[in-house]
Amino acid sequence: AQTVTQSQPEMSVQEAETVTLSCTYDTSESDYYLFWYKQPPSRQMILVIRQEAYKQQNATENRFSVNFQKAAKSFSLKISDSQLGDAAMYFCAYRNSGNTPLVFGKGTRLSVIA
Amino acid sequence: EPEVTQTPSHQVTQMGQEVILRCVPISNHLYFYWYRQILGQKVEFLVSFYNNEISEKSEIFDDQFSVERPDGSNFTLKIRSTKLEDSAMYFCASREGTSGTRGTQYFGPGTRLLVL
Repeated sequence: AQTVTQSQPEMSVQEAETVTLSCTYDTSESDYYLFWYKQPPSRQMILVIRQEAYKQQNATENRFSVNFQKAAKSFSLKISDSQLGDAAMYFCAYRNSGNTPLVFGKGTRLSVIA
Repeated sequence: EPEVTQTPSHQVTQMGQEVILRCVPISNHLYFYWYRQILGQKVEFLVSFYNNEISEKSEIFDDQFSVERPDGSNFTLKIRSTKLEDSAMYFCASREGTSGTRGTQYFGPGTRLLVL
């Protein structure tokens, strides 16, 4: 079974600085998808960014970008120019191709310091 | 922008009672999911649903749980006889397809269930 590991339970960053959240995963599949979801205190799950494993180019969404290292099975999230509204729990998630559910990591709680 | 909606936002029930959690997926989506998150823990998959039947279920999804799509819009999760350990946030998610951007799951705001 696939597993997702987030080794940083908590991280903090100064406002306007850059922070990187780590995620590794274990799979024997070659075709899969990776996601980062943000969960603010309201506990809603908000999609931040997605990456298809067959794409070599790292995904980018405004201030959010990923460093996808397929051989190392690593999928880190970089948040640039951090804002107070970025403070939340961040979950890394994996999904095989086809009709398969998401497998989540345990999350990283990000604090943004003004 | 279309959203997944869930009702109620909060539900308090007595142990042993039945609860029904409701979800309205995004209208052109075909794949539906329920996940749960016990406070302070990671999100866990419960069940997936496609073409009016269960596609996959986890070991958590035992005989106390059932899902239904009673009409063209609603997707429900029923817990027949709630236990204290069923207290959690329950998320509904849906997606349009399985590949590319259509394979992205979008989550509802969740139902916070408290079993006393």
